[in-house]
Amino acid sequence: SAVISQKPSRDICQRGTSLTIQCQVDSQVTMMFWYRQQPGQSLTLIATANQGSEATYESGFVIDKFPISRPNLTFSTLTVSNMSPEDSSIYLCSVLPGKNQPQHFGDGTRLSIL
Amino acid sequence: AQTVTQSQPEMSVQEAETVTLSCTYDTSESDYYLFWYKQPPSRQMILVIRQEAYKQQNATENRFSVNFQKAAKSFSLKISDSQLGDAAMYFCAYRGGTSYGKLTFGQGTILTVHP
Repeated sequence: SAVISQKPSRDICQRGTSLTIQCQVDSQVTMMFWYRQQPGQSLTLIATANQGSEATYESGFVIDKFPISRPNLTFSTLTVSNMSPEDSSIYLCSVLPGKNQPQHFGDGTRLSIL
Repeated sequence: AQTVTQSQPEMSVQEAETVTLSCTYDTSESDYYLFWYKQPPSRQMILVIRQEAYKQQNATENRFSVNFQKAAKSFSLKISDSQLGDAAMYFCAYRGGTSYGKLTFGQGTILTVHP
């Protein structure tokens, strides 16, 4: 299975600032995704990171708030912009190596906004 | 839209005993995949088991097995010979055959294992 490195593992940020989370995979993968897990809650898909084109966002998530880059088949970033306490969550990167394979997840980034 | 429901917020089991976690889903698709993921306090999401909808045989992975009832849209997870390391949050997840990989998760079930 793919080995996924997600950085940072945690951070504490000030209100109004932005943070970029990185996701690196040890092999080329078809699809990469970003999920949010609010405290005590389940995972919700933020967007699909498309290689070489704009990300596809789910309802309730917008590019201005969560800009995503995917410059190649092994790397993606998620930026959480203009953060507020409501953005305190775990953000997880996941990859789909192939159509009939399961998704694998990074270790997540625990983000706290003061 | 697809939905996944886990009706048991918390479950507990004695070590070495068997426990079953419930999951139901709603979909109009005929081609899809179902998964159980485990999330220990370390927050890493670990794949436990998967089931393809077109397969009638229930998936099994060592001590973990599923009871897949397609007509009832039910997908329960059975953990046999429970171990302390099984304690975690368990998520049931659905992926449609044409959803380009998007996973829809249930609310999760916290499993406690008592020694």
